[in-house]
Amino acid sequence: EEQLVESGGGLVQPGGSLKLSCVVSGFAFSVSAMHWVRQASGKGLEWVGRVRSKANNYATAYAASVKGRFIVSRDDSKNTLYLQINSLKTEDTAVYFCTSSGRYAAFDVWGQGTMVTVSS
Amino acid sequence: DIQMTQSPSTLSASVGDRVTFTCRASQTITTWLAWYQQKPGKAPKLLIYKASLLVSGVPSRFSGTGSGTEFTLTISSLQPDDFATYYCQHYDTYPFSFGQGTKLEIK
Repeated sequence: EEQLVESGGGLVQPGGSLKLSCVVSGFAFSVSAMHWVRQASGKGLEWVGRVRSKANNYATAYAASVKGRFIVSRDDSKNTLYLQINSLKTEDTAVYFCTSSGRYAAFDVWGQGTMVTVSS
Repeated sequence: DIQMTQSPSTLSASVGDRVTFTCRASQTITTWLAWYQQKPGKAPKLLIYKASLLVSGVPSRFSGTGSGTEFTLTISSLQPDDFATYYCQHYDTYPFSFGQGTKLEIK
């Protein structure tokens, strides 16, 4: 069974940092492009960033709202995706989902999400 | 960047109704469009990819059409489990983006 499990969320002060993890099982993680998507409470979905596979040089891409503050990375030996979030702002408060774009190029498998709250 | 606009924001319907959601892209995305269903407290679920292709296991009452900048998602006969929020998303070029969603409510 394909499964993505996020962790690492929590309460952090503005300006702080946090590193989210997403452990993957049940599909070929190492060849899959992986993404982070976030959702503020009661709001819509926002694509955050992506890291491609080793064959694609681990290329990354980011939404303008997070570029320069967020870093998407992966460790294929651990089947784990990461999101390093720095210089946090209150507007970064959201549930963060990891997801893959595999068979369909669209986001076909999702984690359950991890909550990040930025507040003083 | 490509903007996605969904209409309506809310749709009220009854079990058995046929409903259609609309999604517009600010520039052409050919058929690089997906539709997702999301229920409260849950992750989104992929329903349709490449504008019109049904994901394996998704009921055939769901269908998608369109290309370029205009897309639709249709549910042919609403079932109780279908009441949720629906999002479109383009994956043509980065940055990807989602529409603001259409909430399907029980009339």
